[in-house]
Amino acid sequence: DAGVTQSPTHLIKTRGQQVTLRCSPKSGHDTVSWYQQALGQGPQFIFQYYEEEERQRGNFPDRFSGHQFPNYSSELNVNALLLGDSALYLCASSLLGVGSYEQYFGPGTRLTVT
Amino acid sequence: GDSVTQMEGPVTLSEEAFLTINCTYTATGYPSLFWYVQYPGEGLQLLLKATKADDKGSNKGFEATYRKETTSFHLEKGSVQVSDSAVYFCALLKNTGNQFYFGTGTSLTVIP
Repeated sequence: DAGVTQSPTHLIKTRGQQVTLRCSPKSGHDTVSWYQQALGQGPQFIFQYYEEEERQRGNFPDRFSGHQFPNYSSELNVNALLLGDSALYLCASSLLGVGSYEQYFGPGTRLTVT
Repeated sequence: GDSVTQMEGPVTLSEEAFLTINCTYTATGYPSLFWYVQYPGEGLQLLLKATKADDKGSNKGFEATYRKETTSFHLEKGSVQVSDSAVYFCALLKNTGNQFYFGTGTSLTVIP
């Protein structure tokens, strides 16, 4: 049973560019959450997707957008990249409803903006 | 707003020493509380959790008790091992949603 997978592992982009990160949830899970973890900090909640809709959003600008597909996988898009967007981006999946508090995290995508 | 405060690191201990990592929280209502561990180069792994006041979460020798009166969820282990070296995150989840609030993490290094 595969856990949460994320791609790519590492990514280097230039300021002003756009980036797309991908996540496949754990088998049987229907909800995907995205987090940004800056170096030396705890993860910060970006947003959560359920039934292909953004269910909840943290304090991030509109440059951060996402999508969830019918197979529950998800993408995180960041436009007009800033140096401050350099971070580890974590995806977590869960099953909404009973047991939804247990989120399983992927290994993350390390984004470097130069 | 809702938040989690963890003791500052890094923490360095000798093998078999006693570990305490302090965690306090601010939240309205009755959140669930968690400890996650992050090994180098890996994602977060759930270590233990407690969903209501006075609950004790435990796993792999680690324990934490949900203390509503002191809004705390301190992590303890009686005898640490070198393999426990990692970064530990305290987190809360409000019962109104699925958004986690994480602390800044505490780095633990255990030396032989």
